[in-house]
Amino acid sequence: QQPVQSPQAVILREGEDAVINCSSSKALYSVHWYRQKHGEAPVFLMILLKGGEQKGHEKISASFNEKKQQSSLYLTASQLSYSGTYFCGTRVIQGAQKLVFGQGTRLTINP
Amino acid sequence: DVKVTQSSRYLVKRTGEKVFLECVQDMDHENMFWYRQDPGLGLRLIYFSYDVKMKEKGDIPEGYSVSREKKERFSLILESASTNQTSMYLCASSLVAESGGAFFGQGTRLTVV
Repeated sequence: QQPVQSPQAVILREGEDAVINCSSSKALYSVHWYRQKHGEAPVFLMILLKGGEQKGHEKISASFNEKKQQSSLYLTASQLSYSGTYFCGTRVIQGAQKLVFGQGTRLTINP
Repeated sequence: DVKVTQSSRYLVKRTGEKVFLECVQDMDHENMFWYRQDPGLGLRLIYFSYDVKMKEKGDIPEGYSVSREKKERFSLILESASTNQTSMYLCASSLVAESGGAFFGQGTRLTVV
């Protein structure tokens, strides 16, 4: 079953912050985050394992709350290059290979 | 540079045809995946494979089959193409779970007429 992302779309001005959420009806073992620019393949950003771990990637960071079965992606001081569609991917069992993605969140950054 | 290559960028097929989508990775990855991407529905998993000749159904396997005879190659087969299979198809590969992220191919835009 696909995780649910929110919001479906968000429009920001350059320099503003954004939060994208990913929720699952099942307990999660790991969460992946990817960004897809228009006409391109999705690109891996980061992976979080259960344990409430927070990770960072430049000004993009993420948290994972296994009790709430959700993860959040934080984009701070957004840049034009952050525009694209963000997907979370989830695995529910340690060692399982199946990787299921959400429906995506389209982020538009305007000057 | 790591690479996942899909054989066609665009494909037009007729209803009822048998369609083969090919994917090759050069990273010696154990896992390979096929997703379809439709507006508003995100990436939906069709099939995946965690080893040669091993495969598992994803969330939407109906109307599709797969083949993995060699580690680097994973084929998606539409047994009898239908118009509702018109979509963008994305192949991905990865190391075993949680060793890292997945790498995606550029996608095949399939139109069934």
